[in-house]
Amino acid sequence: ELKVEQNPLFLSMQEGKNYTIYCNYSTTSDRLYWYRQDPGKSLESLFVLLSNGAVKQEGRLMASLDTKARLSTLHITAAVHDLSATYFCAVVFGNSGYALNFGKGTSLLVTP
Amino acid sequence: DTGVSQDPRHKITKRGQNVTFRCDPISEHNRLYWYRQTLGQGPEFLTYFQNEAQLEKSRLLSDRFSAERPKGSFSTLEIQRTEQGDSAMYLCASSKSRGGYEQYFGPGTRLTVT
Repeated sequence: ELKVEQNPLFLSMQEGKNYTIYCNYSTTSDRLYWYRQDPGKSLESLFVLLSNGAVKQEGRLMASLDTKARLSTLHITAAVHDLSATYFCAVVFGNSGYALNFGKGTSLLVTP
Repeated sequence: DTGVSQDPRHKITKRGQNVTFRCDPISEHNRLYWYRQTLGQGPEFLTYFQNEAQLEKSRLLSDRFSAERPKGSFSTLEIQRTEQGDSAMYLCASSKSRGGYEQYFGPGTRLTVT
């Protein structure tokens, strides 16, 4: 059974600080996704990581993938309040190669 | 293109009733997915279509759940004899066929079973 674990589950950080969210998964997977969800809203796609060593950056967020360690990181640089949201990682599983298995999410609160 | 749309956005029903939700994917996307999300949890995969073919179903999809995509465009998810445990947000997503790894999610249908 594929397990996806995120760490931490809750994160409160000050504006301007840096932090990293970790995503571990238990079996080999071809792709890893990061999504953002605001309260009461749907999911917004942030990154799709396709290969070992992949790194993608958008604004203050940078995601990386180490398939050998089965680990992805989402690094936040100089956090701002607008980044407050829940962040999910997900990996593909199943026979089709398209079903996503999500972690529990990391709830991020950025305070002044 | 306005993205993935879902209808209704909210549904309140009494236990034992049947409900049906609709999802309209992004127009050029031939892959369509249903997920369910409960409060404080990540979405859970339910089922996946490529065109009109249902290619994968989760063990979560009990006999009371059925999904269709008859013409390869919109999809419906029906829950029969609803139970309180069915209360959740039902999310639909779609993706392209070629190189279409990114799944775009709709706004969801929030189901409350009383």
